[in-house]
This record gives sequence, structure tokens and C-alpha cells, in this order.
Amino acid sequence: GESVGLHLPTLSVQEGDNSIINCAYSNSASDYFIWYKQESGKGPQFIIDIRSNMDKRQGQRVTVLLNKTVKHLSLQIAATQPGDSAVYFCAESSNDYKLSFGAGTTVTVRA
Amino acid sequence: GAVVSQHPSWVICKSGTSVKIECRSLDFQATTMFWYRQFPKQSLMLMATSNEGSKATYEQGVEKDKFLINHASLTLSTLTVTSAHPEDSSFYICSAAGQGDTQYFGPGTRLTVL
Repeated sequence: GESVGLHLPTLSVQEGDNSIINCAYSNSASDYFIWYKQESGKGPQFIIDIRSNMDKRQGQRVTVLLNKTVKHLSLQIAATQPGDSAVYFCAESSNDYKLSFGAGTTVTVRA
Repeated sequence: GAVVSQHPSWVICKSGTSVKIECRSLDFQATTMFWYRQFPKQSLMLMATSNEGSKATYEQGVEKDKFLINHASLTLSTLTVTSAHPEDSSFYICSAAGQGDTQYFGPGTRLTVL
């Protein structure tokens, strides 16, 4: 079936560098995309979202890019900090408010 | 704003017993609440969707008689794992959505069945 997936399961980044986390989705009907951060033993924390009528959205230190042509979503974190170490999930939805989560990328920030 | 709580945060029970997990939206009214299950180092899998005052909609493969969901008010949903067995041990997470479609997640409940 169609699903949301991530290109890389792990990402190691030097503190202060920028991070890019990628996500591929296959459901062409998806119109709402969200990035979540999950720390160990905790629930997912909303980071940023984007709708299919946009291709870029910026938040505080984070930017989400959406390329509907190739069904690709990315999360950019500027000046990565140790507190950014976590598992990052992309999720997609198509009209029914149900979210389908990707496999997750573990981000480790090196001091 | 948009705070969701869960209780308990962790529970250990004997095989065959039932466990109830509460999910509350603290500062908004949740039209819809969702229940997820997450096994170690895996992603979140949606179990069911519940709307206040109506029966929950379960995802394929989720036993509705085993995972009882009640959404009695706009701020409270409960998940009861009936006759729990070791394979039900998991991290159960709820989320709540208000008027929009953004889901806000609770902190999760770690269930361990001995």
C-alpha cells in the first residue's frame, strides 16, 4: 500500500551545522504534511506543518520544503543544537485527518 | 496552549487483567482523538479514531473488543486494554485535534504486561 517513508534512518550532525532530514511519500492524494520530533520515552512534539498548496514554510530555526512533483518532503534545522537530538517523523494526511507516519530518522548531534 | 495529558505514564500489570489509559486535552476541546501504538524503535501505528459521543473507528487488524475506546466528552478519551497479554506491551500514545486538523500528542503510556 501507499506509505510515507524516510530516506535515511540515522543522521549525525556537528553542533552548529545545519541538518536536513528527508522524507518520501507515495500517496498523491496527501494534502497535509507534518514534522514531529520525538524524544526518548515521550510523545511526538509538533514542529512544523505544510499544506500541498505551498512549497516552503519557515518556523523558528526550521524550514519545511515540499516538492509535490517528486513527492518529497524535507525538514531543515538551522544551527543544530544538542537539544535537537531526537527521532524525527514526517507524517501525511489526506482529508480524513488520519495521519500516516514515516519510519523516523534518528538525529544525533555531536558536540 | 494545545496540551494533551495521559494517565498513567506507565503501568505494569499481570497477564489477563485490564488496563485503562486516559487521554485529556487540557486547554482545548478535542473534536477528535486518536490512539496510537508504538513498539520499540518503530514508528507510530494508528489504532483507532474517536469522535466525541460516537463509536470509535478502528484500523484494520485492531481488535475493537480488546481495545475499548470511550470518548465521553470533548476533553477526555479512554483506552482500555482488556485481558492484556505480554504481546500487548507497548507505548500507547493519544493525540487530540480541535477545530483544525493539527494533532497534538500526549506524552504516552508505557504498558508492560507480565
